[in-house]
Amino acid sequence: KAGVTQTPRYLIKTRGQQVTLSCSPISGHRSVSWYQQTPGQGLQFLFEYFSETQRNKGNFPGRFSGRQFSNSRSEMNVSTLELGDSALYLCASSLGGWGNNEQFFGPGTRLTVL
Amino acid sequence: AQRVTQPEKLLSVFKGAPVELKCNYSYSGSPELFWYVQYSRQRLQLLLRHISRESIKGFTADLNKGETSFHLKKPFAQEEDSAMYYCALSGGTSYGKLTFGQGTILTVHP
Repeated sequence: KAGVTQTPRYLIKTRGQQVTLSCSPISGHRSVSWYQQTPGQGLQFLFEYFSETQRNKGNFPGRFSGRQFSNSRSEMNVSTLELGDSALYLCASSLGGWGNNEQFFGPGTRLTVL
Repeated sequence: AQRVTQPEKLLSVFKGAPVELKCNYSYSGSPELFWYVQYSRQRLQLLLRHISRESIKGFTADLNKGETSFHLKKPFAQEEDSAMYYCALSGGTSYGKLTFGQGTILTVHP
């Protein structure tokens, strides 16, 4: 089985711009979670989607949003980028059923905001 | 609220020595605990989860609800164990959310 893939792997943007990141889960996985990883804050949960519905959300501003498509692929969008948004963004997929939270991670997208 | 604490940012041991990576958690219900590992230039991958009670790559971890701990242990460390280790918690109806500790960098010296 192919693993979780994320595109692009690297991005450089300037303040005020917006960005869209993409995540393709493992085949058969219906849940996709997104995390932000920074040296200072570590791994922080952004949100989770299951069957095209957001089921859970972390403590991030509304500039961070996401969606999931019928094939379970997910995108996250960050609008009005700030310098502090520079981070590694990870997505993870899982089967998503009750009690089934074993997550498989992608390689991440490295976002740099200048 | 969910919280995971890994008190050691860095841990160094010599090859063949026992190693223990500490993890303490705070959660009011029945959590599910995981250990994830990230080797150099590789993605984060699951090492083990408490409900499976498996031993992976010689590592074990026991959930101690009384002490709210989930320490990772290996009796004889190998150089290839050098990596970043994260303890993570999933709780209740918190769908798809893992709460991670800050991680411990383990270095095994030859």
